[in-house]
Formats: sequence, C-alpha cells, structure tokens
Amino acid sequence: QKEVEQDPGPLSVPEGAIVSLNCTYSNSAFQYFMWYRQYSRKGPELLMYTYSSGNKEDGRFTAQVDKSSKYISLFIRDSQPSDSATYLCAMNGGTSYGKLTFGQGTILTVHP
Amino acid sequence: AAGVIQSPRHLIKEKRETATLKCYPIPRHDTVYWYQQGPGQDPQFLISFYEKMQSDKGSIPDRFSAQQFSDYHSELNMSSLELGDSALYFCASSLVGQGLSSGYTFGSGTRLTVV
Repeated sequence: QKEVEQDPGPLSVPEGAIVSLNCTYSNSAFQYFMWYRQYSRKGPELLMYTYSSGNKEDGRFTAQVDKSSKYISLFIRDSQPSDSATYLCAMNGGTSYGKLTFGQGTILTVHP
Repeated sequence: AAGVIQSPRHLIKEKRETATLKCYPIPRHDTVYWYQQGPGQDPQFLISFYEKMQSDKGSIPDRFSAQQFSDYHSELNMSSLELGDSALYFCASSLVGQGLSSGYTFGSGTRLTVV
C-alpha cells in the first residue's frame, strides 16, 4: 500500500465549477502538506503549503488538512480552463531537507 | 528569477548505454533532490544532497549514482540503461530552513527514452 493515496480522476468540469481534490495518507510522521500543479512536460509547481490541521486560503484555492483522519483536500473555486493540469499532493516528515512523498496525481480538465 | 536548470531536456539512449543528467539549482540553494516520474506515475524520490553530502536516499537503483559538486550543481549518472528507466527525471532545489514553507523548486525535467 502506498503511503499517500490520491483520487486518480480524471476530472472534467465546466468553467466556474468548484473542484475538490483529495488525498489520504498512512504515515503519521507526515507533518507538512503541499499541493503541486503540473502542466504537461513541465516540473511540478507549488500551489499551497500547510502545516496544521484546518483550512488555508489563497485566492481561489483552499487547502484543508485533517490530521486526525489523515486526509487532505484542495478546493478550487470558480475553476478556469487555465487550471487544467495534473494536481499532485505531496507530504514531508518534517525535516527541513527531507524528501517529498507524492500522491499519484489527479488530471483535471476545465472546459469552457 | 532564476530557476532550476536541467540539461539535457531530452535524451535518447540505447539499452546498456550510460546517461548523465545535470541539474543547476537556484543560486544559494544548498539542497538538491532527484525524482523519477514514469508515464502516468507520481514522482518517486531517488536521492538528495545537502551541502554536497548525500542527505537521503530513496528507490535509486545501484546502477545509478549521483553527486553534488562544489558549485552545488548535481549530476545523476545512469549506467546499464534498461527500457524501464525511460521516464522524466526532475531535479528540485531548496534552501534548508526555507524548503518546506516555500516548497521545493522543480526544474522542467529531462525526458529520458531508452530504446
């Protein structure tokens, strides 16, 4: 079993929809949680970073962490065609130079 | 702003050949990470270096080796290439103490195709 499981999708939504992306994890040592966006043939780009349980909002994006359930989510409001990409959740055990463990990624398509 | 530079962007090699991938981190970043991403797969951690010393090791085959040089650039050497080594290889860099809050900055990757 993978340490991080991510709903694989793919997801296809109309422009303006609210998108929900989810990951669960099994390793209690994970302390830092990130969401990356990856466009085709590009490297992952950091979208959101969270540490504590709760919500963190940045523009149209909201990251949610529930450590008791080992569950994280990313919500995208008012989705745009430019949001079409692969979204990867990633986690780290807390060391400042530690590796990231990624989920499998969810392919999102927002159609006009 | 300067980003993580990887070279080459694309590489085609035959089975059993050797490949060398290069990574130039963001200036002043002291940590480099290598990830392998197969088709439709999530990035898998291979190895990392902090201040030119190996800091962590993941699922890196014995056929692969890597090092970080005095100018902080890193090279991933891959020998006896196999078809299964075909993947996108990403390098990321960070600055200890800032790496987590700012995330790691990834390069655009080297696409290795083994034929």
